[in-house]
Amino acid sequence: SYDLTQPPSVSVSPGQTASITCSGDELGDKFASWYQQKPGQSPLLVIYHDTKRPSGIPERFSGSNSGNTATLTISGTQAMDESDYYCQAWDGTTVVFGGGTKLTVL
Amino acid sequence: QVQLVESGGDLVKPGDSLRLSCAASGFLIGDYYMTWIRQVPGKGLEWLAYISISGSDIYYADSVKGRFTISRDIAKNSLFLRMNSLRADDTAVYYCARSKGGNTEFDKWGQGTLVTVSS
Repeated sequence: SYDLTQPPSVSVSPGQTASITCSGDELGDKFASWYQQKPGQSPLLVIYHDTKRPSGIPERFSGSNSGNTATLTISGTQAMDESDYYCQAWDGTTVVFGGGTKLTVL
Repeated sequence: QVQLVESGGDLVKPGDSLRLSCAASGFLIGDYYMTWIRQVPGKGLEWLAYISISGSDIYYADSVKGRFTISRDIAKNSLFLRMNSLRADDTAVYYCARSKGGNTEFDKWGQGTLVTVSS
């Protein structure tokens, strides 16, 4: 089966840049999506097709995907960005999620 | 307004069956891939099953294959998940979500419905 690996936690200071990685075999050959999930809420799409932002998602959210790693970058991180983040890709006919990363803004 | 509303979650005993529903509004489920995803409280997201736009392609995660059945009612604009032989490790919040097709993102999620399997 195909696996996506994320760091369990990432910490960032307010106003700094946070980077969350997602690793998988030849992930760069697939499309990566990223979801933000706050406590008690359903996931929210923040990045799709590696680099695209849905309408309403702040410009400080960006993504990249190359080789074996996709990266979600949050520039000028704000307290409201403190959440769990999940990467996701398709492997043929199955859907795969990363294990999630808890972003702490402190 | 695009909305997905899950229902049917309950406290059931091991071995019981349950049927979850996902009512869509603001769009037609027949125009999208529809998917079930679950999340054990405090844990990550797990894809369970999806049904394609045509309805002819249905795929399941190995963890639920043979026990869970995904279906839809186009006329009612609703998605369903029939869960049989429930086990304690099926305890989770169950979400429905839509995507434009295979290999695309999930751009809309429901609020989830909690299934608790316990004796």
